[in-house]
Amino acid sequence: KQEVTQIPAALSVPEGENLVLNCSFTDSAIYNLQWFRQDPGKGLTSLLLIQSSQREQTSGRLNASLDKSSGRSTLYIAASQPGDSATYLCAVHAGNNRKLIWGLGTSLAVNP
Amino acid sequence: DGGITQSPKYLFRKEGQNVTLSCEQNLNHDAMYWYRQDPGQGLRLIYYSQIVNDFQKGDIAEGYSVSREKKESFPLTVTSAQKNPTAFYLCASSASGTAYGYTFGSGTRLTVV
Repeated sequence: KQEVTQIPAALSVPEGENLVLNCSFTDSAIYNLQWFRQDPGKGLTSLLLIQSSQREQTSGRLNASLDKSSGRSTLYIAASQPGDSATYLCAVHAGNNRKLIWGLGTSLAVNP
Repeated sequence: DGGITQSPKYLFRKEGQNVTLSCEQNLNHDAMYWYRQDPGQGLRLIYYSQIVNDFQKGDIAEGYSVSREKKESFPLTVTSAQKNPTAFYLCASSASGTAYGYTFGSGTRLTVV
C-alpha cells in the first residue's frame, strides 16, 4: 500500500534562507508526483508536477526533484520570502483509478 | 481564465438537512474529484468521476452523494446521514491520462449549526 510522508511537519526560517522540504513514498510504481501550496482557509495551488520519467522540474525560485528508486522527492525553495509562508503538500499519483495519495504537509513560516 | 469554481465559500447546515456544494470547471477536463480536509488529517477522497454519467466512491463516501450530468459540473450533496459533516471541502479536476496533474478549486467550508 502506497504511503506518503512529509518531513518536517513544521518549519520556521528567517527570510532569505534556502530551504528543502522532503516527501517520501513507499512504492516506486508511480505515474507522477505533484507539489501543492495551501494558504490558510484556501484551496490548493499546484506548484510543480514531475512525471515518473523526469528527475526534476523548476519554476522560478522552486525546484522539485524526484528519485523513484529511493522513493523520495524534495522541494527546494531559494531565497525564501515571508510570502512563501504556507502549507506545502505533496501527492503521488499511482494505481489504475487515478487516485492521489497525500502527505500531511509541511507548514512553513518565513519570518521577516 | 480557465479554472474551477466552488460555491458557496461558506455554508451552514442544520441538523437533519441535506446541502449541496457546487463545483464547476471550464478546463475541459474529463475527471473530477471531491475531497474532504480536516485539521491534522490528510485529504480524503469522497467521490470521483472519470467521465460524464459515471462516478465511483472514494475512501469516505458514506453520507455523501454526487451526480455528473455535465462534463463541467460535479455537485456534492452532504446528506443528513453524514454525522460529522463539518469540514473543508475541495473539488478538483484533471485531464485524462497519467501525464496530467490536478487543478483545485478554492474550497467550501461547511459548518453544522
